[in-house]
Amino acid sequence: DAGVIQSPRHEVTEMGQEVTLRCKPISGHDYLFWYRQTMMRGLELLIYFNNNVPIDDSGMPEDRFSAKMPNASFSTLKIQPSEPRDSAVYFCASSLGRRGAQYFGPGTRLTVT
Amino acid sequence: DQQVKQNSPSLSVQEGRISILNCDYTNSMFDYFLWYKKYPAEGPTFLISISSIKDKNEDGRFTVFLNKSAKHLSLHIVPSQPGDSAVYFCAASVNSGYSTLTFGKGTMLLVSP
Repeated sequence: DAGVIQSPRHEVTEMGQEVTLRCKPISGHDYLFWYRQTMMRGLELLIYFNNNVPIDDSGMPEDRFSAKMPNASFSTLKIQPSEPRDSAVYFCASSLGRRGAQYFGPGTRLTVT
Repeated sequence: DQQVKQNSPSLSVQEGRISILNCDYTNSMFDYFLWYKKYPAEGPTFLISISSIKDKNEDGRFTVFLNKSAKHLSLHIVPSQPGDSAVYFCAASVNSGYSTLTFGKGTMLLVSP
């Protein structure tokens, strides 16, 4: 299995631009999680899905952030408009079952200038 | 307010010796704990977990100890190997793991030959 796939691995964009991060979970996993890692706040859960349905988006920082999961094999996290404080590493993870170990992708390092 | 704290940002150990990574938590509702390991440019990888009904769980060179009264857990690696050099994250959950994970900020372990 290829594991969780994220693209792009690195993204550099200017403030105000739209950014879209992509994730392909492990086949057969029914939970998908989006995390953000910063030096100040560590690893924070942004949103998670179960069977493609958003369950908890309380970690999404503000309305500029949105996430979708149109099918079991694809999810996106969009930031519009982006701001310098959004600079972070964004991880996608998936699991089989709610209590299953979460498998993380390699992350997308986002830099907003 | 950080509910999961890893107070040591880094730890250096010689190969063959024991590595002890510590984690404290403040939420008494946490009843399921996990350790993840992260190499540079990769996502975190699940290492070991423990339920609050136990005080010890062992998997090869890795043992996690839980002291509920002190709200403290630790990860022991014996013997330490250079390949163990990574950032280690402690995570906690309520409802026997059926809720979202709260992560600590991590401890960087360096094992020198």
